[in-house]
Amino acid sequence: SQQGEEDPQALSIQEGENATMNCSYKTSINNLQWYRQNSGRGLVHLILIRSNEREKHSGRLRVTLDTSKKSSSLLITASRAADTASYFCATILYGQNFVFGPGTRLSVLP
Amino acid sequence: DAGITQSPRHKVTETGTPVTLRCHQTENHRYMYWYRQDPGHGLRLIHYSYGVKDTDKGEVSDGYSVSRSKTEDFLLTLESATSSQTSVYFCAISESHIGQETQYFGPGTRLLVL
Repeated sequence: SQQGEEDPQALSIQEGENATMNCSYKTSINNLQWYRQNSGRGLVHLILIRSNEREKHSGRLRVTLDTSKKSSSLLITASRAADTASYFCATILYGQNFVFGPGTRLSVLP
Repeated sequence: DAGITQSPRHKVTETGTPVTLRCHQTENHRYMYWYRQDPGHGLRLIHYSYGVKDTDKGEVSDGYSVSRSKTEDFLLTLESATSSQTSVYFCAISESHIGQETQYFGPGTRLLVL
């Protein structure tokens, strides 16, 4: 399996609900980043969390990191139709290249 | 997509023909990357550059070559395209050393090899 894997592969929720997606990885990391990709577009950086951090917030986004379980979660609160996109985690080890997971496809229904 | 353009945005070619994709940045970032994106695989790194004329291989470099003669341009060449190289190709840039900085992505190039 891959270094970074998101779970679930696909998620459908109603507008206003919270969306949670998870990322698991295999080796120790320096930081972990979450990216969003709208259909037909490039990836856009959302948030970076370093290995010595446990939680980070940015607007409606909350990211947690549990290095003992080698996992991270991305929570989007009060979701909107515009949040419909694919979400990727990227794990980064210093001096190494980014490793992206296959992504979670989020659909927010009006 | 700020400051990063890719050309062409779409291309259809035949097996065995050479193809060159171009990435152009106006951010003066040192690092540039080429990824391919395929269903079920996320993004996989093909090649990257850490300066003019300085490049290195990524995870899936076979069948691809790159060149960087100027800070702003990073070219990806498929010497003899194969159907397995049908994919969406993304260029990315980052300002500083690998692993510590955010990457910024271009809009992508859809390549179909018949």
